[in-house]
Amino acid sequence: GQSLEQPSEVTAVEGAIVQINCTYQTSGFYGLSWYQQHDGGAPTFLSYNALDGLEETGRFSSFLSRSDSYGYLLLQELQMKDSASYFCAVSLTGYSTLTFGKGTMLLVSP
Amino acid sequence: DSGVTQTPKHLITATGQRVTLRCSPRSGDLSVYWYQQSLDQGLQFLIQYYNGEERAKGNILERFSAQQFPDLHSELNLSSLELGDSALYFCASSVGSSANYEQYFGPGTRLTVT
Repeated sequence: GQSLEQPSEVTAVEGAIVQINCTYQTSGFYGLSWYQQHDGGAPTFLSYNALDGLEETGRFSSFLSRSDSYGYLLLQELQMKDSASYFCAVSLTGYSTLTFGKGTMLLVSP
Repeated sequence: DSGVTQTPKHLITATGQRVTLRCSPRSGDLSVYWYQQSLDQGLQFLIQYYNGEERAKGNILERFSAQQFPDLHSELNLSSLELGDSALYFCASSVGSSANYEQYFGPGTRLTVT
């Protein structure tokens, strides 16, 4: 089977940097995606990593280490609007679907 | 706005009933995915269609079924509803059939079974 582990909640203050970790146990791993979901809203795509290393998109960066079965999402210059749930999701070779983690709720305070 | 539409936005129904949720994908997207999200739970993949054909099945109950029509819109049918079926149901679309394509999510249908 597959399993993904991410912290259930992370808190930070405005302007800070926060890292949300995701570890996975799968066979046939292909890539790791990150999605953001504001309370009750539609999840929105943030990033995708298939190769080791860091991908940067504005204030958000995502990292993958295939050998460690580990990835993280890095959010810089935190803003109140970043308060949301963040989900990591794995895609597997030969499969057309994503398996999502249970999500990390990020609370940004003033 | 992702370009994916879902109707209805809210649905309240009684146990034992049957409901149909509708999804229209983004223009040009051929894949449609259905997900269930219960309180404090992650997104549980239910089923995927690609260009009218069932592509993958996840944790979808036998009481649930789906289809994708020639115009690519999709419907998720939930029958013999139970209290535990109360959840947010999301539809997502992507241009290709692979999981490596970005998925665009609709606003969801909130189903309440009483």
